[in-house]
Amino acid sequence: AQSVTQLGSHVSVSEGALVLLRCNYSSSVPPYLFWYVQYPNQGLQLLLKYTSAATLVKGINGFEAEFKKSETSFHLTKPSAHMSDAAEYFCAVSETAGNKLTFGGGTRVLVKP
Amino acid sequence: GAVVSQHPSRVICKSGTSVKIECRSLDFQATTMFWYRQFPKQSLMLMATSNEGSKATYEQGVEKDKFLINHASLTLSTLTVTSAHPEDSSFYICSAPRTGEGFGYTFGSGTRLTVV
Repeated sequence: AQSVTQLGSHVSVSEGALVLLRCNYSSSVPPYLFWYVQYPNQGLQLLLKYTSAATLVKGINGFEAEFKKSETSFHLTKPSAHMSDAAEYFCAVSETAGNKLTFGGGTRVLVKP
Repeated sequence: GAVVSQHPSRVICKSGTSVKIECRSLDFQATTMFWYRQFPKQSLMLMATSNEGSKATYEQGVEKDKFLINHASLTLSTLTVTSAHPEDSSFYICSAPRTGEGFGYTFGSGTRLTVV
C-alpha cells in the first residue's frame, strides 16, 4: 500500500528565505508524485509532478522538487519565499496513472515579513 | 486546460436534510471521479471513486447509504449527503484523473458543508 509522510505540519520562514518542505513516500512500484498547494476554502492547485522523467522537476511559482529513489523522498523547495506562498502544501502519490491519490498530512507554511 | 466545476461552493443545511454536490468536467470527459473529504486543518481523505456507468467504490468506513454517489454521464458526478448531521460538516472536494500526455488530476474548488 502506498503512503506519504510530510515532516512538519507547520513551517515558518522569513520572506526571501529558502522554503523546504519534506515528503517521503512508500510505494510498491515506481510512483507518480505530486505537490499541491491549497489556499483557504479552495481546491488544490498543482505545483509540479514527477512521472518518471527527469528527477529534478520544476513547477510553477519558482518551486521545484527532486525525486530521490534511494531516499524515497520528493522534497519541495523554493529559493526565496514570498508572502503569497503562505498556504497549505500537500504531497501526494499514485502508483498507477489515473488511480487514486494518497495524500500526506499537509504542511502549513507561514511567511514572516 | 482541464476544468472541473464544483457546486455549490458553500451550503448550510438543517440536520436531517439531504444535500447534493455536483462536479462537472467542462472540457474533457471524466470517466472516473474521486471524492475526498477534508476536515479542518487536516489532509484529504478519499471517500469513494465513481465511474461512469457503474457503481461507486467506497473506502473502508464510508457509509454508502449516507454518501450517495452517482456518475450519470462522462461529464457529471454527484455526491449526495443524505440525512445530514453536524458531524458531516466538512469540506468536500472532487477530482478527475486525466491520462495520456497531460497526465494528472483536476480538482474541483470544493464545497464547504455546514450542518446545523
